[in-house]
Amino acid sequence: AQKITQTQPGMFVQEKEAVTLDCTYDTSDPSYGLFWYKQPSSGEMIFLIYQGSYDQQNATEGRYSLNFQKARKSANLVISASQLGDSAMYFCAMREESTSYGKLTFGQGTILTVHP
Amino acid sequence: NAGVTQTPKFQVLKTGQSMTLQCAQDMNHNSMYWYRQDPGMGLRLIYYSASEGTTDKGEVPNGYNVSRLNKREFSLRLESAAPSQTSVYFCASSFRTEISTDTQYFGPGTRLTVL
Repeated sequence: AQKITQTQPGMFVQEKEAVTLDCTYDTSDPSYGLFWYKQPSSGEMIFLIYQGSYDQQNATEGRYSLNFQKARKSANLVISASQLGDSAMYFCAMREESTSYGKLTFGQGTILTVHP
Repeated sequence: NAGVTQTPKFQVLKTGQSMTLQCAQDMNHNSMYWYRQDPGMGLRLIYYSASEGTTDKGEVPNGYNVSRLNKREFSLRLESAAPSQTSVYFCASSFRTEISTDTQYFGPGTRLTVL
């Protein structure tokens, strides 16, 4: 079974609007971390936001927020006020406490295109 | 701070050739990782080093070797390159690998083509 599922291969959004990128995960670990990374066309992987399994509140970092619904095992990324520079591939990743060496398991990614 | 740096940025090899990908970090991180990214896929872990002096296999280690030269540097070696190793290689580092909250920071990647 897939540990991280991103069901949207591509998403489109108008500049200045908000967009939600979906991520569901599968784990039996009580302790885990969820991460979102951005990969622009230049290729680098940029860390955006993190949510811990025990965190009571949803994580926020500037225009990025993480809609964490633990019972549904979802960790959707919300980008508010989209900008042209937000056009990129976005990866959801999970790290489980049981993998002591810290392996990140990645989803297949969602390509976001922001239209002017 | 440069963060995580990788060299080279691009490389073309012929089947059977060898090469070493270099990675260095200046964030005083203890743990370092090598991932590969294939088209349309997320990243997969090749090898990792939880701390200076230790290295271990990840999920796709075949055909690779690594060296943790010191706390800052972690290299990946392809002894006899194969076309299946055509990929983009990312190095990453983090402060402490043993906790799930530890964030990994990535280098810019090396795009490798094996003919």
